[in-house]
Amino acid sequence: AQSVAQPEDQVNVAEGNPLTVKCTYSVSGNPYLFWYVQYPNRGLQFLLKYITGDNLVKGSYGFEAEFNKSQTSFHLKKPSALVSDSALYFCAVRDDGNNNDMRFGAGTRLTVKP
Amino acid sequence: DGGITQSPKYLFRKEGQNVTLSCEQNLNHDAMYWYRQDPGQGLRLIYYSQIVNDFQKGDIAEGYSVSREKKESFPLTVTSAQKNPTAFYLCASSRGGMGSYEQYFGPGTRLTVT
Repeated sequence: AQSVAQPEDQVNVAEGNPLTVKCTYSVSGNPYLFWYVQYPNRGLQFLLKYITGDNLVKGSYGFEAEFNKSQTSFHLKKPSALVSDSALYFCAVRDDGNNNDMRFGAGTRLTVKP
Repeated sequence: DGGITQSPKYLFRKEGQNVTLSCEQNLNHDAMYWYRQDPGQGLRLIYYSQIVNDFQKGDIAEGYSVSREKKESFPLTVTSAQKNPTAFYLCASSRGGMGSYEQYFGPGTRLTVT
């Protein structure tokens, strides 16, 4: 079965600095990979996804993610962090051979300090 | 959260009572999902439905029940058999239950059982 790991519970960055939120995955087939963001007491909002093609995926609010098949990673990045980026970020994976099942990571709390 | 509504936002119940959480979507999506979110555990799938009048158990279906009588609606009942019902419940939908479709989430219902 597919799984996803977010190795950092918490990431702290200063406003204006680049940010990275890490995600690694495990699938038996080819992965469909997703990033979501959650603000306090709200539902999750879709940021971006990787299906196939270019390994660098661009999404909402200036976020991007790089798919690395050899390292089975899909790290979320942003060149210049904003205080308003502070939120809980979830990585998710679906195996193209087991389409019914999407697995979410435990989440990484990003704090951007002014 | 656009297109998916969950009500109520906060719900309080006494132990031993069944309670039904509402989820409605106007996105014309075929697939709908219920997740439970607990601190530090990410999202865990309770039930999902790919089409009307059909639904499947997720990882933690015990103590929960659902129905899918209309495409737009996927209510979740938390029964008295659920041993630890206090949690944040999220409903989601997607164009299809398979493949590369991202999920769209409602704002969530926070259930507290005392």
